[in-house]
Amino acid sequence: ELKVEQNPLFLSMQEGKNYTIYCNYSTTSDRLYWYRQDPGKSLESLFVLLSNGAVKQEGRLMASLDTKARLSTLHITAAVHDLSATYFCAGTQGAQKLVFGQGTRLTINP
Amino acid sequence: NAGVTQTPKFQVLKTGQSMTLQCAQDMNHNSMYWYRQDPGMGLRLIYYSASEGTTDKGEVPNGYNVSRLNKREFSLRLESAAPSQTSVYFCASNDAGSYQETQYFGPGTRLLVL
Repeated sequence: ELKVEQNPLFLSMQEGKNYTIYCNYSTTSDRLYWYRQDPGKSLESLFVLLSNGAVKQEGRLMASLDTKARLSTLHITAAVHDLSATYFCAGTQGAQKLVFGQGTRLTINP
Repeated sequence: NAGVTQTPKFQVLKTGQSMTLQCAQDMNHNSMYWYRQDPGMGLRLIYYSASEGTTDKGEVPNGYNVSRLNKREFSLRLESAAPSQTSVYFCASNDAGSYQETQYFGPGTRLLVL
C-alpha cells in the first residue's frame, strides 16, 4: 500500500528566500504529482513527473523526482507572497488511484 | 468550458438524513473521482469511475454510494449521514491513458453533519 509523506507540514518563510518541500513515498509509483490549494479553494495542478530524474520548472517553482530514493522535491526560489498556499504531492497506486500527502502549508511573509 | 462543476457548494445535514452530491465535467474525460478532504489528512479517494458504466472503491468507501450517470456526470450519495462524514468533498476528472493524466478538480462541496 502506497503511503506518501510530506515535510515540513508547516513552513513560514520570508520573501526572497529559497526553500524545499520534500515528498517521500513508500512503494513504487508510476508518476508523481504536485498540486497547489489556496484557502477555501480547489486544487490546481502544478507538475506531473513521469520518470526518474524528471525536472520541471514553472516560474519560481521547480519539481524533481528521484524514483530510486522514492523522493520528490518542490523547490521555491526567491519566494514571493503570492506563493503562499498549501502544496500537495500525490503518487499513484494502481492505474488511477492518487494517494495524497498531508500537504505543506506555506506562508510567505513580506 | 466550465471544467468540473459541483453542486451544492454548501450543505448542512442532520444525522441520518440522505443527500446526493452532483458532479459534471465538460472536458470529455473518461475517468471521474470523488475525494474527501479533512484537516491534516490531505485528500482521500472515496470512489472512482474509470469509464462510463464502471465504478470502483477507493480508500474510504464506507457510507457512500456512487452513480456514473453518463460520461459527463458522476454523483456521490450519502444514504444515512453521520457526523464523521463532515468534510469537504471534491470531484475530479481526467483523461486516463493520456500522457499527462493530471486530474482536474471541481470547486468542492462543504458538508456539515450535525
